[in-house]
Amino acid sequence: EAGVAQSPRYKIIEKRQSVAFWCNPISGHATLYWYQQILGQGPKLLIQFQNNGVVDDSQLPKDRFSAERLKGVDSTLKIQPAKLEDSAVYLCASSLGEFEQYFGPGTRLTVT
Amino acid sequence: KNQVEQSPQSLIILEGKNCTLQCNYTVSPFSNLRWYKQDTGRGPVSLTIMTFSENTKSNGRYTATLDADTKQSSLHITASQLSDSASYICVVSGGYNKLIFGAGTRLAVHP
Repeated sequence: EAGVAQSPRYKIIEKRQSVAFWCNPISGHATLYWYQQILGQGPKLLIQFQNNGVVDDSQLPKDRFSAERLKGVDSTLKIQPAKLEDSAVYLCASSLGEFEQYFGPGTRLTVT
Repeated sequence: KNQVEQSPQSLIILEGKNCTLQCNYTVSPFSNLRWYKQDTGRGPVSLTIMTFSENTKSNGRYTATLDADTKQSSLHITASQLSDSASYICVVSGGYNKLIFGAGTRLAVHP
């Protein structure tokens, strides 16, 4: 089966610019997650969707980050405006309810 | 506070040698404990998942143990290979697939 797809793989922007990441989960997976992984740390959950509804966004910096999941399938994560501390790898994962999460390759964001 | 702590932070071993990575957690409620392997530039890939009632699980040369009483887990790698060079992340599920990640152990296997 095809895995979780993410694009772009790499992105370099200047601070105060905006950026968007795209994720296509494994077909049939109802739950989708966005994580932020800063270099040398484990991933931190930003937002969790169940179909197209938000289950948990408690750690999402809502003043600059937003996410949506269109029709319960693809998802986009946006940062506007970006700060230097947003430099990280953004991982998307999907799962069938409470079963194992499958991760995409991630998008490496560098903010200069 | 729910936390997952891993040790050592980094480790260098020679090809063919064994090694053991440690994970201590304070997560409640506890659903399951997972070990993931993350190659550089890639997303984490699951190695093992253990529930409360399981105290050991193997996946090839990887063997994970769980002591739910002391809230400790270990990942043992046997006969290491160059391809084992990666970060190994201990992850505890606190219910409804909410995962608490450790910072990982970065393993380097040298020839």
